[in-house]
Amino acid sequence: QVTLRESGPALVKPTQTLTLACTFSGFSLSTRGMCVSWVRQPPGKALEWLAFIDWDDDKYYRASLKTRLTISKDTSKNQVVLTMTNMDPVDTATYYCARMAPDTAHAFDIWGQGAMVTVSS
Amino acid sequence: EIVMTQSPATLSVSPGERATLSCRASQSVSSNLAWYQQKPGQAPRLLIYGASTRATGIPARFSGSGSGTEFTLTISSLQSEDFAVYFCQQYKNWPPLFTFGPGTKVDIK
Repeated sequence: QVTLRESGPALVKPTQTLTLACTFSGFSLSTRGMCVSWVRQPPGKALEWLAFIDWDDDKYYRASLKTRLTISKDTSKNQVVLTMTNMDPVDTATYYCARMAPDTAHAFDIWGQGAMVTVSS
Repeated sequence: EIVMTQSPATLSVSPGERATLSCRASQSVSSNLAWYQQKPGQAPRLLIYGASTRATGIPARFSGSGSGTEFTLTISSLQSEDFAVYFCQQYKNWPPLFTFGPGTKVDIK
């Protein structure tokens, strides 16, 4: 069974750096074709893709947030980490990690339950 | 960036009726289109990928069609558990670039 779980602080202050971890099981990110993305959703709003990392350690970011985002993986820990610098209240959202696999054409086939992050002083 | 639009924003349907949701891309995405269902307080769930392939465990009453810029999700006979928000998403495989539509809320008429 494939599962993903996000973890990190529920509250961060403006200008601080957010660090979120996605711990997964049931697949390996060293398997060719496997990828993980981060997606966020502000309260009551639509989903917004943030970052992507694949089995080969290729990384891609949302263009408008590229200077603030870093994604990395630790294959031995089955973990993907996202950092976002200079947090602002508009970054308040639920942050999800999601798997992307070749057999589902790299759609986001399995999602974590989400981590709600509030940015406030 | 490829912009996704969805219509209608809200669709009111009676249980047992058919629901048809539309999604449009600002440029061709071929068949690189997925549909997700999201219920309040839950993560999205993949319903359809490749524009028309049902994901594992998704009931046959959900079907997807279209290619290029115009796509449709059809729910043939709405069940109580189908009232939710539905998002479409395009995925351009290389370089990876993913955008979601604003969603269609399906509620009870």
